[in-house]
This record gives sequence, C-alpha cells and structure tokens, in this order.
Amino acid sequence: KAGVTQTPRYLIKTRGQQVTLSCSPISGHRSVSWYQQTPGQGLQFLFEYFSETQRNKGNFPGRFSGRQFSNSRSEMNVSTLELGDSALYLCASSTGRGDEKLFFGSGTQLSVL
Amino acid sequence: AQSVTQLGSHVSVSEGALVLLRCNYSSSVPPYLFWYVQYPNQGLQLLLKYTSAATLVKGINGFEAEFKKSETSFHLTKPSAHMSDAAEYFCAVSVWGSQGNLIFGKGTKLSVKP
Repeated sequence: KAGVTQTPRYLIKTRGQQVTLSCSPISGHRSVSWYQQTPGQGLQFLFEYFSETQRNKGNFPGRFSGRQFSNSRSEMNVSTLELGDSALYLCASSTGRGDEKLFFGSGTQLSVL
Repeated sequence: AQSVTQLGSHVSVSEGALVLLRCNYSSSVPPYLFWYVQYPNQGLQLLLKYTSAATLVKGINGFEAEFKKSETSFHLTKPSAHMSDAAEYFCAVSVWGSQGNLIFGKGTKLSVKP
C-alpha cells in the first residue's frame, strides 16, 4: 500500500508570492490533516479535511487555506507569503473515523526569501 | 487547553543502554496519546498509541510506553538502545471533538553513542 505522498519536496518562494502544496493520502483514507513544523514553534495543526469539507481548523491566519477533492487528495495554499512561513509542511492521512492514527508524508520544505 | 511537555530536548545514551524519554500531559485525560519518531528529512512515523485498553502499550522497534494517570505521564522506554534509534521523538495527545488535531510536544532528540 502506498504511503502519503507530498509534492513538491522543496520549494523556494519570495515574500508576497503564493504557494500551493499537494498531498495524496493513503488509498481508502478520507481524512487529511496539515501541520506546520518549525524549530521555534514545533508542530502545529493547521486544518483537517474529511469528505471535501473542512472539519477542524487550527489557529492560523486566513492566508492559510486548503481544500480536498473527491478522490481525497488535498491541497494547501498560502497567500502573501511572509518570511515566517518558512517551515516544513506535513500532511497526514487517516480513516477519519475517530481512531486518530495519523500517517504522515515526508513533507514539503518551504523556504521564503 | 491540552498541552504536552517533553522533558529534555536532547538525550544521549550508549548503545545497549536503557532509553527513557519523558512526556507529561496536562491534567485532563485526552482521548488518545501517541509517540511518533522523525528521522532526518522525513515525516513522522507512529511508534505507538494509547487507548484506554491497557496502561502498558507496546509499539514498533521494541519501544513501549506506560500511561500513569496519577502522574499525568506517558514515558517512552526501550530496554536496549540501537544506533538506528537515533532520531527525534515526539509525544502527542489528541483533542476531544477535533479529529486530525494532535497537540505535539517540542520533541526530544535521541543520540546513541557506540
């Protein structure tokens, strides 16, 4: 069974630009969660999608948004990039049925210059 | 609000020695507790998960963790460290009513000396 796939692996952007990250969950998983990982703040929850609907949201500004498609693939978008958005963005998939076992991808390393 | 504290950002042990990584959660018992491991340039891999079924949880790679409600702790142990155990370890708790939302500790980087 293929794991969680995140693309691209690395991204370099400049301040003010926007970026879209992609995540393909494990086959059969309907829930996708996104996390931001930085050395200073650690791992922080961004949002979770289930069946194309955002079910839960963390404490991030509206510049961070996401969506989920009918095949459960998910995208995360960050608009008007700031230097502080530089981070590893991790996607995790689960069945969404409440067992909370999250399976993580390898992440997208975003650098904002 | 839930919180997780991992004592010690860096732990160093010799190969073959006991590994003990400490984790404390805030006073209210969360639905689930987890330990994840992260190798360099990789995502997080689930080591083990606590439900209410048993206080001692066995995970992969010889790791186990014991849930102690009286101490609000969920420490991770392994009897004998291996060089391949060198990685960063994260304790996490789930949030009531918020699926997919885990609160993570700051992580403990484990070094294993030959």
